[in-house]
Amino acid sequence: QVHLVESGGGLVKPGGSLRLSCAGSGFAFSDYYLIWIRQAPGKGLEWVSYISSTSSYTNYADSVQGRFTVSRDNAENSLYLQMDSLRVEDTAVYYCAKAYSSSSVWYFDLWGRGTLVTVSS
Amino acid sequence: QSALIQPASVSGSRGQSITISCAGTSNDVGSYSLVSWYQLHPGKAPKLVIFEVNKRPSGVSDRFSGSKSGTTASLTISGLQAEDEGNYYCCAYAGSDTYLVFGGGTNLTVL
Repeated sequence: QVHLVESGGGLVKPGGSLRLSCAGSGFAFSDYYLIWIRQAPGKGLEWVSYISSTSSYTNYADSVQGRFTVSRDNAENSLYLQMDSLRVEDTAVYYCAKAYSSSSVWYFDLWGRGTLVTVSS
Repeated sequence: QSALIQPASVSGSRGQSITISCAGTSNDVGSYSLVSWYQLHPGKAPKLVIFEVNKRPSGVSDRFSGSKSGTTASLTISGLQAEDEGNYYCCAYAGSDTYLVFGGGTNLTVL
């Protein structure tokens, strides 16, 4: 079965760190760009970071640049998001998602159910 | 405030049609045919229902259709069914610097 499963969310204090994981199965994980997208409580969606199929290219939203690091391990079919210097405004459900095709990186046809990150003192 | 503007809610009776608008700018919706729509249900994985303005992924009902005019994109759902209830978000490519922008979401209620 084709799916993505996020893990690693939880409660953390401002300034703290957290590492999210996303496990993929049922598709050629190493062929696709992957992205992290988040949704803060009562807010819309916001892209956070994405990574190319071979990890050669990464990109970050301005709101997380310098604090978050995306990586992947294609041998383990896993995607990661290292989140440091967390702020209250980083509180959100974090989704990982797969690009629609190896050449189309602007829409995403497979998503996980998300993992909740709460930053609070 | 989200970059793309959507109505907060829409509703329709079973069997009817509804349209959700997504207002952007000349920097995003107006410049690229890379508009997509996602359906979200609490606790479930989001689902892509439209990409490249008007294309449907495999497995998505042909009751879902998309269009664009100028800087506004639209999602139309015809023959409304109970399972169509949920939150719908539009998304548009906005160039290499900004990458993607999203709408604030529209809650669809099927009466």
